Amino acid sequence: KQEVTQIPAALSVPEGENLVLNCSFTDSAIYNLQWFRQDPGKGLTSLLLIQSSQREQTSGRLNASLDKSSGRSTLYIAASQPGDSATYLCAGRSRGSQGNLIFGKGTKLSVKP
Amino acid sequence: DVKVTQSSRYLVKRTGEKVFLECVQDMDHENMFWYRQDPGLGLRLIYFSYDVKMKEKGDIPEGYSVSREKKERFSLILESASTNQTSMYLCASRPSGRALYEQYFGPGTRLTVT
Repeated sequence: KQEVTQIPAALSVPEGENLVLNCSFTDSAIYNLQWFRQDPGKGLTSLLLIQSSQREQTSGRLNASLDKSSGRSTLYIAASQPGDSATYLCAGRSRGSQGNLIFGKGTKLSVKP
Repeated sequence: DVKVTQSSRYLVKRTGEKVFLECVQDMDHENMFWYRQDPGLGLRLIYFSYDVKMKEKGDIPEGYSVSREKKERFSLILESASTNQTSMYLCASRPSGRALYEQYFGPGTRLTVT
């Protein structure tokens, strides 16, 4: 069964820094991997979706990569801003999860002015 | 723009009450999902539905049931609410298709059972 892990659980950086959030998964037969942002007390907002045939996707200051062979995905945030402070979750869909998303527990990011 | 709405942002119910959480999506998605989110446990799938009148158990279905009478609406039912069902409940929807499509979430319902 697919398992998704995000390390670290929390990260604090100064404004302007480039940073990388990590996500690892156990089932390499992955259909896609999706990154979400969650603000406190709110729902999840989809940031990027990477299909299994792709290696990366970009949206503005965000870049997500996928390496199926190593079971890893990264979310790169360039020039971080205080407004980027939130919890970031990754989730993978694979045959082993009945095609449903399996979520990591998230990385709580704090960007300090 | 995909929109998933949930009937309440905050709800307070008493132990033993029957509770209905409603979710509506406006993009004709086939798949709909109910999750609960708890600190330290992450998001856990309660039930999902691939089509009208179809339902499948997720990882933690005990104490819950669902109803999908129309394609756009997916209801989560707590037959007899208990304090351990105090949680954030999140609804989501997604079109059919193995890899192509993103999953979209509603704003969540914070349920407190006293």
